[in-house]
Amino acid sequence: KQEVTQIPAALSVPEGENLVLNCSFTDSAIYNLQWFRQDPGKGLTSLLLIQSSQREQTSGRLNASLDKSSGRSTLYIAASQPGDSATYLCAVFTGTASKLTFGTGTRLQVTL
Amino acid sequence: SQTIHQWPATLVQPVGSPLSLECTVEGTSNPNLYWYRQAAGRGLQLLFYSVGIGQISSEVPQNLSASRPQDRQFILSSKKLLLSDSGFYLCAWSGVQRETQYFGPGTRLLVL
Repeated sequence: KQEVTQIPAALSVPEGENLVLNCSFTDSAIYNLQWFRQDPGKGLTSLLLIQSSQREQTSGRLNASLDKSSGRSTLYIAASQPGDSATYLCAVFTGTASKLTFGTGTRLQVTL
Repeated sequence: SQTIHQWPATLVQPVGSPLSLECTVEGTSNPNLYWYRQAAGRGLQLLFYSVGIGQISSEVPQNLSASRPQDRQFILSSKKLLLSDSGFYLCAWSGVQRETQYFGPGTRLLVL
């Protein structure tokens, strides 16, 4: 059974800092890994999708990497802003289960 | 462009009452549709998914059921709500199962 873990559970940083969020998964037989953002009381917004054959994806100030063999992904946020404050969720699509398995998220607060 | 709607946004229901949550997608045809539940402090749990009209797959045994009466309509139901059914219910769609999932705004359900 696929299990996804995100560390840390919560993070507070001052504006302008670069930061890294971590995601690990137990079953390396994945099709892709997706990073989402969730604002309080809202739905999820897709940020990045990395196919299993890819090593990284970039979108603006966001960069996600994938090391499938070790079961790890990182989301790098450059020059953080208060508007980046949200919960960040990673999810892996596992072929055997044909579904997304989500981590419990990292709650990020960027302070002025 | 594609949009996904959920209603109601918030619902307070007594234990034992019925439930009907609706999700509709615009701007695409034959989407894969998903119902998730997000309980406080826990990750997203996939409840049901559908690859076509009348085709429903259930992920976990529970007090809920789902139906897809039209191509872009997905309904989550219960005949008798339990306290444990409280949570944040999210509907999502994707083009194919392995692709990015796009989430609706969610319905917050409180069962008293």
